[in-house]
Amino acid sequence: QLVLTQSPSASASLGASVKLTCTLSSGHSSYPIAWHQQQPEKGPRYLMKLNSDGSHNKGDGIPDRFSGSSSGAERYLTISSLQSEDEADYYCQTWGSGIKLFGGGTKLTVL
Amino acid sequence: EVQVVESGGGLVQPGGSLRLSCAASGFTFSSYWMNWVRQAPGKGLEWVAAINEDGSEKYYVDSVKGRFTISRDNAKNSLYLQMHSLRAEDTAVYYCMRSVDLWGQGTLVTVSS
Repeated sequence: QLVLTQSPSASASLGASVKLTCTLSSGHSSYPIAWHQQQPEKGPRYLMKLNSDGSHNKGDGIPDRFSGSSSGAERYLTISSLQSEDEADYYCQTWGSGIKLFGGGTKLTVL
Repeated sequence: EVQVVESGGGLVQPGGSLRLSCAASGFTFSSYWMNWVRQAPGKGLEWVAAINEDGSEKYYVDSVKGRFTISRDNAKNSLYLQMHSLRAEDTAVYYCMRSVDLWGQGTLVTVSS
């Protein structure tokens, strides 16, 4: 069964870097994902599509501070030079056989 | 401008019906899969339904099968979600989503007596 697992929360200091993880369920390690950001009281925003080989396509206007990488069934979102506006919920999403699926989201706190 | 804009949300009684619309502009609508995604108050994102480019394939999350119908009109660059037999647990902001890379601003559906 296709499942995405994310840690519920993460925190890092202003100006530092943070790496968020999204884990694909067993047997699905080749699947691509997408990362989305949802700032407080706003709708979601597409960040990037991330393939199993680590290649990624970012959305328009997404800063270079946001990057993606992959290792096996793990998909990562790294945010460098953290800013206050990066405090948000981050969701990964995958798809297969017509259906789409979201992870539970990670709430990032910028200290 | 490339965008999708939802409309049609509102307050409806349990067991009632509602039809959501999504107007697309700035891109070739007929070339994309389209989706509805919802977010209940204080909860995460939940994919609800998807439709392929010509409307011949439709997929739903189990909780809405038999109650919700996704459709599209490529001539009008529009996506729809017809919702019947609404329940309190369907209360959410409903988002229109192009493929995986473009979100609308959402429309609130509240199911309550």
